[in-house]
Amino acid sequence: AQKVTQAQTEISVVEKEDVTLDCVYETRDTTYYLFWYKQPPSGELVFLIRRNSFDEQNEISGRYSWNFQKSTSSFNFTITASQVVDSAVYFCALSVNTNAGKSTFGDGTTLTVKP
Amino acid sequence: DTAVSQTPKYLVTQMGNDKSIKCEQNLGHDTMYWYKQDSKKFLKIMFSYNNKELIINETVPNRFSPKSPDKAHLNLHINSLELGDSAVYFCASSPLKRGETQYFGPGTRLLVL
Repeated sequence: AQKVTQAQTEISVVEKEDVTLDCVYETRDTTYYLFWYKQPPSGELVFLIRRNSFDEQNEISGRYSWNFQKSTSSFNFTITASQVVDSAVYFCALSVNTNAGKSTFGDGTTLTVKP
Repeated sequence: DTAVSQTPKYLVTQMGNDKSIKCEQNLGHDTMYWYKQDSKKFLKIMFSYNNKELIINETVPNRFSPKSPDKAHLNLHINSLELGDSAVYFCASSPLKRGETQYFGPGTRLLVL
């Protein structure tokens, strides 16, 4: 069975602070995929990144960066110089090859960025 | 130009009624999904269809019946609605290849009174 744990339920920071959202996953599959989604107050789910289990390279996209470490089964997400518009619920998700592509989501981390 | 669309966006209904939510994707994807997001924001998969064939049914009550008339559509019909069915329902689609990114619709906010 697959499991995704986002231990931080809520995080509050002040604008321009850096913030890291943690994601720890469990799976016995050797081929799997990890995702991050953003859900702003408007409610839609916005895809941020996809990473497969064979690619441990870290990724940077503007103020966003992701640190994938198979040794600790973690796929953490860092926002640098946070902005009020970053306020949202962030979901980490896991998909494995053997499970028809279904994604198992973490419970989400609610990030509030205060001006 | 919406990739994944759902109708209606909001649905308010009485307990015991039957209702349907429609989903359409114009991405040419082979796989479509229904997810339920409860009041605590927890997202759980309900169903997955691949080329009109049911491939995942996550112990959802049989009051919920998905229907896929073609691979671009996956509708969700709910019989005898209960208070606990109040949630946001998201439709998603992805290419056939496993592990591909799922693209989500805007969600349907269902409130059962």
